[in-house]
Amino acid sequence: AQKITQTQPGMFVQEKEAVTLDCTYDTSDPSYGLFWYKQPSSGEMIFLIYQGSYDQQNATEGRYSLNFQKARKSANLVISASQLGDSAMYFCAMRDYTGGFKTIFGAGTRLFVKA
Amino acid sequence: DAGVIQSPRHEVTEMGQEVTLRCKPISGHDYLFWYRQTMMRGLELLIYFNNNVPIDDSGMPEDRFSAKMPNASFSTLKIQPSEPRDSAVYFCASTQGLITDTQYFGPGTRLTVL
Repeated sequence: AQKITQTQPGMFVQEKEAVTLDCTYDTSDPSYGLFWYKQPSSGEMIFLIYQGSYDQQNATEGRYSLNFQKARKSANLVISASQLGDSAMYFCAMRDYTGGFKTIFGAGTRLFVKA
Repeated sequence: DAGVIQSPRHEVTEMGQEVTLRCKPISGHDYLFWYRQTMMRGLELLIYFNNNVPIDDSGMPEDRFSAKMPNASFSTLKIQPSEPRDSAVYFCASTQGLITDTQYFGPGTRLTVL
């Protein structure tokens, strides 16, 4: 069955440092997509980065990168050079063929960036 | 290109009243989703449509909730009658036709039922 697990309810990071937000997933499908979203205090859901199950390289988008370890079924988000504006809730999500077009979301990790 | 559009952004109503939330997906997107977000339950998928046809409504909490998509550019989520426990942020999202396509969210409607 599809499952997304984010084990860190909250995390603190010092400004300008890197931080890793954990995400593990479970699926029996060989083809799936993994997504990360950011939800700031204003409430909107902002797409950050995508990783496909067949992608050979880890996805990167500016300061965001996805540490994809397929055998371990993990898709951790790495934010480099944290900024105060990175303080937000972060959601990991997955979509596969078994689930149709349902995208399942993790419980989220709240990131606090300290000045 | 405009993103997903939702209206109203905020809605305050009294228990027992009918509430209608509206969504315009991104043009060309084949799939439309309605989610509800609360502190207690997180982000829940209520229903989704493919080419205007409801595919899975297993997340709709009860008969008081209904959703329609009369055409490719418009969907509604209706609650009748509304109850205080329906207070939440309701998101609409849309995506194109591949598993790997990104799902884009609207700004959400914050519903408060007094």
